[in-house]
Amino acid sequence: DAGVIQSPRHEVTEMGQEVTLRCKPISGHDYLFWYRQTMMRGLELLIYFNNNVPIDDSGMPEDRFSAKMPNASFSTLKIQPSEPRDSAVYFCASSSLAGGVGEQFFGPGTRLTVL
Amino acid sequence: KNEVEQSPQNLTAQEGEFITINCSYSVGISALHWLQQHPGGGIVSLFMLSSGKKKHGRLIATINIQEKHSSLHITASHPRDSAVYICADRGSTLGRLYFGRGTQLTVWP
Repeated sequence: DAGVIQSPRHEVTEMGQEVTLRCKPISGHDYLFWYRQTMMRGLELLIYFNNNVPIDDSGMPEDRFSAKMPNASFSTLKIQPSEPRDSAVYFCASSSLAGGVGEQFFGPGTRLTVL
Repeated sequence: KNEVEQSPQNLTAQEGEFITINCSYSVGISALHWLQQHPGGGIVSLFMLSSGKKKHGRLIATINIQEKHSSLHITASHPRDSAVYICADRGSTLGRLYFGRGTQLTVWP
């Protein structure tokens, strides 16, 4: 398995532009997580899905952020309009709780810079 | 609110030294995760445990449920162990992790 795949790996955009980050989870995993990492706040959960349904989006900072999971193999995180304070590394992770395991596998991350 | 505290924040060691990183959490857990973040940014899961002790090579993770405390030990540390180590608590909510701020470990040759 290729692991969790994220694209793009780096994104530089200007304030006000729309940004879309993409994630392909590990096949068979039924949980998908979006995290953001900054120097100030460390790693924080934005939203997570179970079987393509959003379960907890309390970490989504504001209405400018939205996430979708149209099927089991694809998810997007969209920021519209983007702001400089959104600059961070965004990680996607997937896991399966089958058998009570639940280890999370992280993608390589997308480094977002908003100018 | 689930609080996860790690100590120390930064740790410097000489190659071969025994390393301990501590993690405490505030509410009951279903599992405690230890993650490693390499200098290049990738995050790897090291351990997931809900009781006792686990060992993988030179790494050992322990947890004390009653004291709400976990430790990560590295025996015979090596410069390639230099990374940020993050503990995360999977609380009662299925799936969600609460993260500590991480411990930056630097091992000098």
